[in-house]
Amino acid sequence: KAGVTQTPRYLIKTRGQQVTLSCSPISGHRSVSWYQQTPGQGLQFLFEYFSETQRNKGNFPGRFSGRQFSNSRSEMNVSTLELGDSALYLCASSLEGGVSPLHFGNGTRLTVT
Amino acid sequence: EDQVTQSPEALRLQEGESSSLNCSYTVSGLRGLFWYRQDPGKGPEFLFTLYSAGEEKEKERLKATLTKKESFLHITAPKPEDSATYLCAVLDAGGTSYGKLTFGQGTILTVHP
Repeated sequence: KAGVTQTPRYLIKTRGQQVTLSCSPISGHRSVSWYQQTPGQGLQFLFEYFSETQRNKGNFPGRFSGRQFSNSRSEMNVSTLELGDSALYLCASSLEGGVSPLHFGNGTRLTVT
Repeated sequence: EDQVTQSPEALRLQEGESSSLNCSYTVSGLRGLFWYRQDPGKGPEFLFTLYSAGEEKEKERLKATLTKKESFLHITAPKPEDSATYLCAVLDAGGTSYGKLTFGQGTILTVHP
């Protein structure tokens, strides 16, 4: 079974630009979550989607948004990039987003200059 | 607010030298405690889920245990390939916890041959 696929693997953007990250979940998984990982803050929850609906959201500014498509694939968008947005963005999928374990992709490394 | 504290921050072992990693947590109600392994440049890899105090899970050289306040990851006779960052995370029993794990900062394990 294929794992969670994230594209692209690396991105370099300039402050003020916007970026879209993509995530394909494990086949049959309907829940997709996004996390930001930095050396200082560790892994922090961004949001979770299930059946194209956002069910949960973390404490990030409105510049961070996402969506989920009918095939469970998900995208995350960050607008008006700031230097502090440089991080590894991880997507994780699970069967239903409750107690079933999250399975992570290898992330997109975003560098903002 | 949920809190997860892992100790030690870093642990160096000789091959074959058994040890334990600690994860202390504070949640209003625990739905599940998760252990992950993360290798450099990769996303976290799921290891175990523990649901209630007294529960134990084993996989190869790893054994995870759970009490009402903490979890231990015991590593028996480790090998160099066990070197990684080990992450602990909790899922709150609250109704809005979909996809939202609270992670500790991790323990960096290095096993020398």
